[in-house]
Amino acid sequence: QTVVTQEPSLTVSPGGTVTLTCASSTGAVTSGYSPNWFQQKPGQAPRALIHSTSKTHSWTPARFSGSLLGGKAALTLSDVQPEDEAEYYCLLYYSDAWVFGGGTKLTVL
Amino acid sequence: QVQLVESGGGVVQPGRSLRLSCAASGFTFRSYSIHWARQAPGKGLEWVAVVSSDGNTKYYADSLKGRFTISRDNSKNTLYLQMNSLRAEDTAVYYCVRETGFGEFDYWGQGTLVTVSS
Repeated sequence: QTVVTQEPSLTVSPGGTVTLTCASSTGAVTSGYSPNWFQQKPGQAPRALIHSTSKTHSWTPARFSGSLLGGKAALTLSDVQPEDEAEYYCLLYYSDAWVFGGGTKLTVL
Repeated sequence: QVQLVESGGGVVQPGRSLRLSCAASGFTFRSYSIHWARQAPGKGLEWVAVVSSDGNTKYYADSLKGRFTISRDNSKNTLYLQMNSLRAEDTAVYYCVRETGFGEFDYWGQGTLVTVSS
């Protein structure tokens, strides 16, 4: 059974920078896993932020960026704002199936 | 604007069946693959299934194969999820999600809650 692992929780100060990662139990994450990142706030549906490792949607704030880092997919938030406090999920592709990570609860404090 | 509106959720007894719908508008429905994802109360997201734009190709999460069936009616701009032999652990909010080109997930519906309980 494939497992996608994210940090359960992270804390960042307003104006700071934080990187969330997404690891695969099958080995290094590459662009072939087509990493997607989503933001979810309490009581809301998820919102897409990043697709295809590093591509943003038209609504994605410029402070969000995606990359591959040390064999993992990564989501970096720069100049973090209070409204960035949320749960963040990655999604990876495995040969006709997709698997979500367990999510990272980001606290802005 | 792009809209995905799920419906059909509710309370159902274990072992029974339920069919969810996802009505699409604001885009050319027949041109996009659409996924179902779910989220149990207080838990993370789980990918459920995907159907190709023409409805001919379908993939499922291994844990759900044989019980859930995804389908679509492009003439009605609607996606479906037939759920059989429901279990308590199927209790979740079910979302439909559009895929724009391979691997580009963009729009989500607001979700519909399914509660499996006697």
